[in-house]
Order: sequence, then structure tokens, then C-alpha cells
Amino acid sequence: QQQVKQSPQSLIVQKGGIPIINCAYENTAFDYFPWYQQFPGKGPALLIAIRPDVSEKKEGRFTISFNKSAKQFSLHIMDSQPGDSATYFCAASKGSSNTGKLIFGQGTTLQVKP
Amino acid sequence: ETGVTQSPTHLIKTRGQQVTLRCSSQSGHNTVSWYQQALGQGPQFIFQYYREEENGRGNFPPRFSGLQFPNYSSELNVNALELDDSALYLCASSRTSAVYNEQFFGPGTRLTVL
Repeated sequence: QQQVKQSPQSLIVQKGGIPIINCAYENTAFDYFPWYQQFPGKGPALLIAIRPDVSEKKEGRFTISFNKSAKQFSLHIMDSQPGDSATYFCAASKGSSNTGKLIFGQGTTLQVKP
Repeated sequence: ETGVTQSPTHLIKTRGQQVTLRCSSQSGHNTVSWYQQALGQGPQFIFQYYREEENGRGNFPPRFSGLQFPNYSSELNVNALELDDSALYLCASSRTSAVYNEQFFGPGTRLTVL
């Protein structure tokens, strides 16, 4: 049973555009929502994370928007650059649990054209 | 601060064989989680090790087993390899003292089963 649904599967934007990647979750016990960036042949790298007590978090050009009632969260990349071309994964976990097992979405492949 | 390292980088095995993958956790981290990432998919949680014991397991059969050593490094063992075991195996380390268990991934081991 897939507990985190991510869309779109792929995305192409021009340099300077604002790609938006969306995720929806089912388990209301989730309380930690990180985003990871993965380049080909590399492991996922933690980008930014949010907890449900805030509706938005910004770190540099990356912003997470969180809608607890809709059980949805999204990643916005401001002023996107060709170097942002990668696969992005949302994830969710019970952050306060003793394992913090991450449930990942299916991933979004982003291409930023020069 | 040393990041998460994994060895080997790539591995080719035949069906029915056994394999051992290794992971060294990031400095200051005492918890290791293992994930399987099939091509084009998000990582899936296999299990976690804390204080040298299994501390949570995903939906993987018993032929997937692991160890954690006193220096917090870890091994993933897979017996009776099947073709579907071909994947990128990722190790992630975390500090259990971190409230929301931020997990930092290594570069992975690419396993091919022929």
C-alpha cells in the first residue's frame, strides 16, 4: 500500500522558472516530511524538511508548503537552475517514533533547460 | 565530519548466491537504516539497527539480515539472491538524539543479480 503519492512523475522547466512538486500522504500519524534530491549514481541528499506545526518553510531557493487538513505538501524551487536537474523525492515518517522509518514517494525527475 | 560511506560501489552476483554490503555511519551517528531502491522508484525501508540490534523492519523476507558493530558500522546480508534483488542499496545514518531522526544517505551499492 503506497502511503505517499508524488506528482508529477517528470517535469521540464526553463531556467528561472518555479517547478512545483506535490505529495499527498494517508497516515495522519506522520509528523515529519523531508525532501531529498538525488543525482544519477548518488545517494539521496536531504534538502529541507517540515513538521506539521508550520505551513511553510524556506531554505535558500527551496520552499515547502504544507496543508495539514488536505494531507498534502509541496516543494517549490525558486529561480531554478540547470544544476537543479535531478530526481526529487518526498518522504514522510513518524518523526517522534524510535525508528523514524521513511516512506518515500515515487520521485519526480526535474529537467531545467538553460 | 566524515559522511556515510558504503562498499562496494558495484557488485554482480548470480541467482542463489549470497552477498554482504557494508556501511560506515557518519561521525556522531549511532543508528543505521538500510533501504532498497529499485530503478525508477523511491527507496524502500528494509530495517534499522540501533545499539547492535534490529530496531524496526520493513516488508522484506528473512533472507535479508543485518548486523551493527560497536563502532556503529553495519552490514546488510542477502541470502539466496533473486533477480528482483537487483537494485541500489542505500545506507542512512542518524543520531537518535535528534528529535526528528534526520537521516543522511550514503552513495549506495549497485547490486546486479544475473
